[in-house]
Amino acid sequence: AQKVTQAQTEISVVEKEDVTLDCVYETRDTTYYLFWYKQPPSGELVFLIRRNSFDEQNEISGRYSWNFQKSTSSFNFTITASQVVDSAVYFCALSEASTGGFKTIFGAGTRLFVKA
Amino acid sequence: DTAVSQTPKYLVTQMGNDKSIKCEQNLGHDTMYWYKQDSKKFLKIMFSYNNKELIINETVPNRFSPKSPDKAHLNLHINSLELGDSAVYFCASSFIPPDTQYFGPGTRLTVL
Repeated sequence: AQKVTQAQTEISVVEKEDVTLDCVYETRDTTYYLFWYKQPPSGELVFLIRRNSFDEQNEISGRYSWNFQKSTSSFNFTITASQVVDSAVYFCALSEASTGGFKTIFGAGTRLFVKA
Repeated sequence: DTAVSQTPKYLVTQMGNDKSIKCEQNLGHDTMYWYKQDSKKFLKIMFSYNNKELIINETVPNRFSPKSPDKAHLNLHINSLELGDSAVYFCASSFIPPDTQYFGPGTRLTVL
C-alpha cells in the first residue's frame, strides 16, 4: 500500500530563514510519481513540482529546491530565504499504479508560518 | 481563462437535503477527479473519471454520486446530507494519469 508521511505538522520561521519540509513515502512499485502542492490561506491548491521515480536529479526553481533520494524514500522541499508569502500548507503526494489506473495519495500536509 | 472551475464556492445547507456541486475544466484534459479535504486539511480522493468513465471509486457512501456528461465536466451530487459531509470539496483534472492534476478553487460545504 502506498503511504506518504509528512512528519512536520507545523513549522514556524522568521523571514529570510531557510526551511526544509520533509516527505517520506512508501511504495512497492518501481514506477511512481511524486508531487508537491502549495495551499495558501486563500485555499486553492497550486502545483509546484512533479518527479518520476527514474529521475533522481534534484531540482531548483528560484528559491525552491527539491531533493529526491530513492535510497531513503524521501522527497524533501527546501525554501531558501523564506518570505511571508510562502506561508501556506504544503502537501507532498505519491501517485502509483492501482486498479483502474494511477491513484494519488496526499500526505497530511505541513503548515508553514513565515513571520516578518 | 479559468482552467478548472467549480460552483458554488460556498454551500450551506441543512442535514437531509440533497445538493450538487459542478465542475468544469477547459484544459482539454481526459481525466477528472473529486477530492474531499476535511477540517484537518487531510486531502483524500473520492472519484476519478476518464473520458466520462468511472475509473476510481474510493470507499465513498452511495449518497455521493458523480456524473460526467462529457469529459470537460464532472458533477458531484450528494443525497441526504450529513454533518460529517461538511468539508471542502476539490475538483481536479489532468491528462492521462499520473500526469499533474490541476485543482479547482474548492467548494466549502457546511451541513447544519
